[in-house]
Amino acid sequence: GEQVEQLPSILRVQEGSSASINCTYENSASNYFPWYKQEPGENPKLIIDIRSNMERKQTQGLIVLLDKKAKRFSLHITDTQPGDSAMYFCAASGYGSSGNKLIFGIGTLLSVKP
Amino acid sequence: NAGVIQTPRHKVTGKGQEATLWCEPISGHSAVFWYRQTIVQGLEFLTYFRNQAPIDDSGMPKERFSAQMPNQSHSTLKIQSTQPQDSAVYLCASSLDGKNTLYFGAGTRLSVL
Repeated sequence: GEQVEQLPSILRVQEGSSASINCTYENSASNYFPWYKQEPGENPKLIIDIRSNMERKQTQGLIVLLDKKAKRFSLHITDTQPGDSAMYFCAASGYGSSGNKLIFGIGTLLSVKP
Repeated sequence: NAGVIQTPRHKVTGKGQEATLWCEPISGHSAVFWYRQTIVQGLEFLTYFRNQAPIDDSGMPKERFSAQMPNQSHSTLKIQSTQPQDSAVYLCASSLDGKNTLYFGAGTRLSVL
């Protein structure tokens, strides 16, 4: 299978707190896991990614974790700001001849309250 | 670098009409992807080209949807006999080699009345 499940679908947090989004994937051959942020009326933009040879990656207040055994990966936003409010999508790479396509989760709408 | 360019930004068609959506990938990118975005389904993969060759069209509704990439500078997605359920934002993305970051265009919002 190629499904990617993403939870929660809606996440409301207070400014300054952390936010976590979790995704699971089905295909054990997936080796690339990007996260995209989409603001209203805009196109999705890559914010951070991780490959299967890593378990953790951190950049500018974002942390991604990858558990290959559990086929699970997550995004953690520390010290959230109102500007972090947006739609977030996780994705996993496909397999076989289509190894380069990305299968996206349904998305998480993050709302950061001042 | 103008990014991925999609035209038109908005298209309104009547039920049964044809719609053609255009995408110009980032110069030098060899892979072009088409996705459809709706609130209910999220980002659905439609089809993918690499070096202009179709690689995977497993997400394309077989009967009315078709995609082409006649040259390295543009791809088209054609929907024949449009139906209200085709209403969505159609996103085109390109990547350098198909293995890395996807850069999305602004999308074409298709509304079928």
